[in-house]
Amino acid sequence: GAVVSQHPSRVICKSGTSVKIECRSLDFQATTMFWYRQFPKQSLMLMATSNEGSKATYEQGVEKDKFLINHASLTLSTLTVTSAHPEDSSFYICSARERGGGKGYTEAFFGQGTRLTVV
Amino acid sequence: KQEVTQIPAALSVPEGENLVLNCSFTDSAIYNLQWFRQDPGKGLTSLLLIQSSQREQTSGRLNASLDKSSGRSTLYIAASQPGDSATYLCAAAFRGNTPLVFGKGTRLSVIA
Repeated sequence: GAVVSQHPSRVICKSGTSVKIECRSLDFQATTMFWYRQFPKQSLMLMATSNEGSKATYEQGVEKDKFLINHASLTLSTLTVTSAHPEDSSFYICSARERGGGKGYTEAFFGQGTRLTVV
Repeated sequence: KQEVTQIPAALSVPEGENLVLNCSFTDSAIYNLQWFRQDPGKGLTSLLLIQSSQREQTSGRLNASLDKSSGRSTLYIAASQPGDSATYLCAAAFRGNTPLVFGKGTRLSVIA
């Protein structure tokens, strides 16, 4: 299957600093990528939809100025957590879907996730 | 509101048993449904994808079914092994290129 690479897998930062997480589709072009957040023992919660060449669409309750998303190319989307606080500590996962034939879309592939700890 | 529900939340079985994980969704106009496996602290591994036109998919000891009319999907695991222990997530796409809506998962423990 297609591969989505997410980096870094683990990061620890100090309160007030910013952290950038990268998500790359390695062997396919992803016009749309999705960013999720997962709390311990909880399911994935969609944060935003990232569209190549345009502004991201954020879910209700997600601060767009805090979670900056950039989708500069068909294979790269980044999530920057700005002025991080301890409550931002979480597991962040990106996803991209490979476009199938015609109008269809195939399965979604996920990155390995990034464990962010803000101290 | 489009929702995905998984039951049970947790399941513990002895090695060798066949088991079924359940997933239900509120909107029958589903585009496709995926089952994932997640190990603790790790990302998601896609197990099976079922398109709306399909009724089931098989991969090795795994078989997933889809019944749109009843809004249900099941993941059948045959001859379970300790290595199958993980959280299994069901997720539905309700339109083409839209984000998946996830259930809360079933935590499976297979006891040797």
